[in-house]
Amino acid sequence: KNQVEQSPQSLIILEGKNCTLQCNYTVSPFSNLRWYKQDTGRGPVSLTIMTFSENTKSNGRYTATLDADTKQSSLHITASQLSDSASYICVVSPTYSGGYQKVTFGTGTKLQVIP
Amino acid sequence: ETGVTQTPRHLVMGMTNKKSLKCEQHLGHNAMYWYKQSAKKPLELMFVYNFKEQTENNSVPSRFSPECPNSSHLFLHLHTLQPEDSALYLCASNQIIAGATDTQYFGPGTRLTVL
Repeated sequence: KNQVEQSPQSLIILEGKNCTLQCNYTVSPFSNLRWYKQDTGRGPVSLTIMTFSENTKSNGRYTATLDADTKQSSLHITASQLSDSASYICVVSPTYSGGYQKVTFGTGTKLQVIP
Repeated sequence: ETGVTQTPRHLVMGMTNKKSLKCEQHLGHNAMYWYKQSAKKPLELMFVYNFKEQTENNSVPSRFSPECPNSSHLFLHLHTLQPEDSALYLCASNQIIAGATDTQYFGPGTRLTVL
C-alpha cells in the first residue's frame, strides 16, 4: 500500500530559527515528490517538485532534498518568518501509466513560528 | 490567487438540507478534483473529472453527488449529510499530459459544518 509519513506532526520554533521537516514514503514506482504549503483556511500551494534524479531543489528560503534510495525527503526552512506558520504537506506521485495518476498525500506537519 | 475559486467559503447546514459547492478554474486545465480534508488526516480524494468525464469515484457515499458541466466548472451537490461529513472541501485542477503528472492547483476550500 502506498503511504507517505511525515514528522514531526507539529513544531513550534522561534522567528529567525531554522527547521527541517521529514517525509518518508513507500510509493512505488516513484515519479516525483512535491512539498505543499497550506495556510490556515486556505488550499495547499506547491513549493517544490523533485523527480527521481534530483537531490535538492530550492525556492527562496525553502530547500527540499530527496534520497530516492532510502525514500526520504526533507524540507528545510531557513531564517523562519511568522508567515511560515502553516501546514506543510508532502505529496508523492507514482510513475505515469496513462490517464489520471493517483497521488498519495502525507498528513502534514503543522509549523508555528512565534516571535 | 491560484486561479481556482470556490464558493461558498463557509457553509453550515442541517442534516436534511440540500446545498451545492461550486468550483471554477481559470487555468485552462483538463482535469478537476474534489478532496475532503479532515483534521489530522491526509487529503482524501473523492472524485476526478478528466475532460468532463468522471474517471474516479473513490467509494464516496451517494449523499455526495458531483457534476462537471464543462472543463472549467465543478459542483458538489450535498444532501442528507451526517455530522462526520463536516470538513474542509477542496477543489483542485491540473493538466493531465501524456507522460507526466502535473502539479495540482487548489482552491481555497469550503469549510462545511453539518449540524
